[in-house]
Amino acid sequence: QQQVKQSPQSLIVQKGGISIINCAYENTAFDYFPWYQQFPGKGPALLIAIRPDVSEKKEGRFTISFNKSAKQFSLHIMDSQPGDSATYFCAASVTGNTPLVFGKGTRLSVIA
Amino acid sequence: DVKVTQSSRYLVKRTGEKVFLECVQDMDHENMFWYRQDPGLGLRLIYFSYDVKMKEKGDIPEGYSVSREKKERFSLILESASTNQTSMYLCASSSPRGYTNTEAFFGQGTRLTVV
Repeated sequence: QQQVKQSPQSLIVQKGGISIINCAYENTAFDYFPWYQQFPGKGPALLIAIRPDVSEKKEGRFTISFNKSAKQFSLHIMDSQPGDSATYFCAASVTGNTPLVFGKGTRLSVIA
Repeated sequence: DVKVTQSSRYLVKRTGEKVFLECVQDMDHENMFWYRQDPGLGLRLIYFSYDVKMKEKGDIPEGYSVSREKKERFSLILESASTNQTSMYLCASSSPRGYTNTEAFFGQGTRLTVV
């Protein structure tokens, strides 16, 4: 059973456009929802994270939107740049010591 | 600067060999994890550890074991390597129990090819 479902698998966006990646989760006990960014040849690195007490979190051009009732959260990248081209993973966990559960990833390509 | 270091970037091993993947973190983290990454499958948890000499199975532990003799070091062992274990292996660590910080820091990965 896949606990975190991520879509789309791949995404091509024009430079300056908005990139949107969606995730849905099953486990209502999840209370930590990070997004990781991975460049080729590198390990994933934390990009931005949210907890369910807020519906939105913004850091620069990156925004997480969170819908607790729908059990969904999404990453929005405003003014997408070629340097944003990477693989993005959503994840979820229960606070305490449970490991992160990852989505399958989205390969984003931003073209000029 | 926080660091998770995996001993090898690339490894080529033969079927049936015993393979050791080493991971060291310098952040005094209690929690350490091993994931494998395959195209279209994302990151799947193999094993994790919350303390020295402690280990827990993840989602895909078959064919693997782990060792954590020291807090900073977490080793993944392929008892008898098989071609279906060809993959990218990622080690990660995270801070102690607590609400405020559950960020996982990843190493650069070890790309293992079993021939």
